[in-house]
Amino acid sequence: DAMVIQNPRYQVTQFGKPVTLSCSQTLNHNVMYWYQQKSSQAPKLLFHYYDKDFNNEADTPDNFQSRRPNTSFCFLDIRSPGLGDAAMYLCATSRDALLAGERTQYFGPGTRLTVL
Amino acid sequence: QKEVEQNSGPLSVPEGAIASLNCTYSDRGSQSFFWYRQYSGKSPELIMFIYSNGDKEDGRFTAQLNKASQYVSLLIRDSQPSDSATYLCAVRTSYDKVIFGPGTSLSVIP
Repeated sequence: DAMVIQNPRYQVTQFGKPVTLSCSQTLNHNVMYWYQQKSSQAPKLLFHYYDKDFNNEADTPDNFQSRRPNTSFCFLDIRSPGLGDAAMYLCATSRDALLAGERTQYFGPGTRLTVL
Repeated sequence: QKEVEQNSGPLSVPEGAIASLNCTYSDRGSQSFFWYRQYSGKSPELIMFIYSNGDKEDGRFTAQLNKASQYVSLLIRDSQPSDSATYLCAVRTSYDKVIFGPGTSLSVIP
């Protein structure tokens, strides 16, 4: 089945210890997104890729970086996690299409990050 | 003014009733609108999208869009306990960015 996969589902790290979250997709979508969602809050867009073009949100801290080595994979690197970075990290994909329905975002299951 | 607003709830309805969820947005040029359901600890799951004024029905769900009023709603008919979740409204704005509302928590009481 075509899908968006995130690994790991749960990640525990120590304060300041770098961590990498991964996302892969079999939908062949050219747009990939990373969102941060804290408890009882809306998903907050960190950045997204149109193909290889990286688009960073203005308020995304420098502590967050991303890599997209190919169409299928995208990584979120947190260089020095702080306690405030504990959250659910959601990867989503979409097609860059003219029709609104074809530009729908599809989410992976998320990675819950705990910072000790 | 926040870009996408929703009543935070919780909204409680008895089983079998109609649940009505509302969303307003500030960007008049917004193009398309999405409703997601999110269970606690899970990722958002698309329920439906709408981009033309009027109603769009899919099973027990009906989305309603009124661009003049900058308002979109989701009706859930014959609500079931399994519908208990947070419902996120998302708007693709005129600058092609998807903005999520804070979500409305729905509780369907058996």
